[in-house]
Amino acid sequence: DAGVIQSPRHEVTEMGQEVTLRCKPISGHDYLFWYRQTMMRGLELLIYFNNNVPIDDSGMPEDRFSAKMPNASFSTLKIQPSEPRDSAVYFCASSPGLGGHNEQFFGPGTRLTVL
Amino acid sequence: SQQGEEDPQALSIQEGENATMNCSYKTSINNLQWYRQNSGRGLVHLILIRSNEREKHSGRLRVTLDTSKKSSSLLITASRAADTASYFCAPTGNTPLVFGKGTRLSVIA
Repeated sequence: DAGVIQSPRHEVTEMGQEVTLRCKPISGHDYLFWYRQTMMRGLELLIYFNNNVPIDDSGMPEDRFSAKMPNASFSTLKIQPSEPRDSAVYFCASSPGLGGHNEQFFGPGTRLTVL
Repeated sequence: SQQGEEDPQALSIQEGENATMNCSYKTSINNLQWYRQNSGRGLVHLILIRSNEREKHSGRLRVTLDTSKKSSSLLITASRAADTASYFCAPTGNTPLVFGKGTRLSVIA
């Protein structure tokens, strides 16, 4: 397997624009997680899915953020409208199970810059 | 969700020296995992220690766990420049992994 795939790797956009980040989890993994990493706040869990169903989105910072998982091999994180404070590295991770002995596999991240 | 807090925030050592990083947490756990993040990359799983284990080794890595003190340590022996990275602990139960800010390790050649 190629591991968790994220696209794009880098995104530069202007304030007010819509941004869509994409993730392909490892085949067979039932859980998918979206994290955001900044120097100030560290690595924050935004939302996670189980079998394509959103389970906990309490980490999503504002209504401007939304995430979907239309099928087992694809998820999106959308920011509309984007703001400069959304600039961060966004990671997608997948796992065969939740917590416990289950290892989380991370993608390479998308570095988002909002001007 | 459980969250670990790593200490120190940053650590700088010479190549060949040992590096020790600590993790503290607040709730009961099933296991504890350690991850490494190289600059510009995603996190990579290093090692898992179960709550009924006190010590575990993997290559140059040695992890200890003290559930009575709710703490863990990661020791990297004979460090190399390639060990330069951030290291995160993740106490685990039946919830998603929640990470702290990590320990930034710099190994100087």
